[in-house]
Amino acid sequence: DIQMTQSPSILSASVGDRVTITCRASQSIGDWLAWYQKKPGQAPKPLIYRASSLESGVPSRFSGSGSETEFTLTITSLQPDDFATYYCQNYNHYFWAFGQGTRVEIK
Amino acid sequence: QVTLRESGPALVKATQTLTLTCTFSGFSLSSSAMSVSWIRQPPGKALEWLARIDWDDDKFYTTSLKTRLSISKDTSKHQVVLKMTNVDPADTATYFCARKYGLHGFDIWGQGTMVAVSS
Repeated sequence: DIQMTQSPSILSASVGDRVTITCRASQSIGDWLAWYQKKPGQAPKPLIYRASSLESGVPSRFSGSGSETEFTLTITSLQPDDFATYYCQNYNHYFWAFGQGTRVEIK
Repeated sequence: QVTLRESGPALVKATQTLTLTCTFSGFSLSSSAMSVSWIRQPPGKALEWLARIDWDDDKFYTTSLKTRLSISKDTSKHQVVLKMTNVDPADTATYFCARKYGLHGFDIWGQGTMVAVSS
């Protein structure tokens, strides 16, 4: 199965900071990668699909890039509502997988 | 409006079979490129994709659990059912169902249902 590895596991940042989260796939997945925001007690919220396309209604401070095995999620100016856990997910091939998550916490 | 809702027991005993139902509305699972998956999140841990069923009835399971999982759909009832056999306290989690359509990842999620497995 494809393994997805995110880094860092925890990221401490302040409001207004630019933050970048990396996701690596154990084999090439093209651009079949999605990003989600997860808060406690809530369902995951889709942010990005096809590695770099913004889901409807998602603020433009979120962006995604990458292809094949290396991907990034960038938040250009962190807002209070953005403190959450972020997950990448491949949806190439037959067996899908999530990364282990990156928690963005207040510095 | 597209919605999904999970239902099932809040508590099951170890070794029993867990049956979860995802009831959806606003789309048809007969439509090309449509699929519904089950995903879970144990307390304090990461999301884990479990299984998916496609519009053409193709089924896929995560390798680590494939011997214990079974997914099925009833298109007329707008339901997807996940069965997990021989449950263990390690299966305690919030279970989500989610839709995937076309080029998107999981674009619509249910609110999740919490399941505890007692020993």
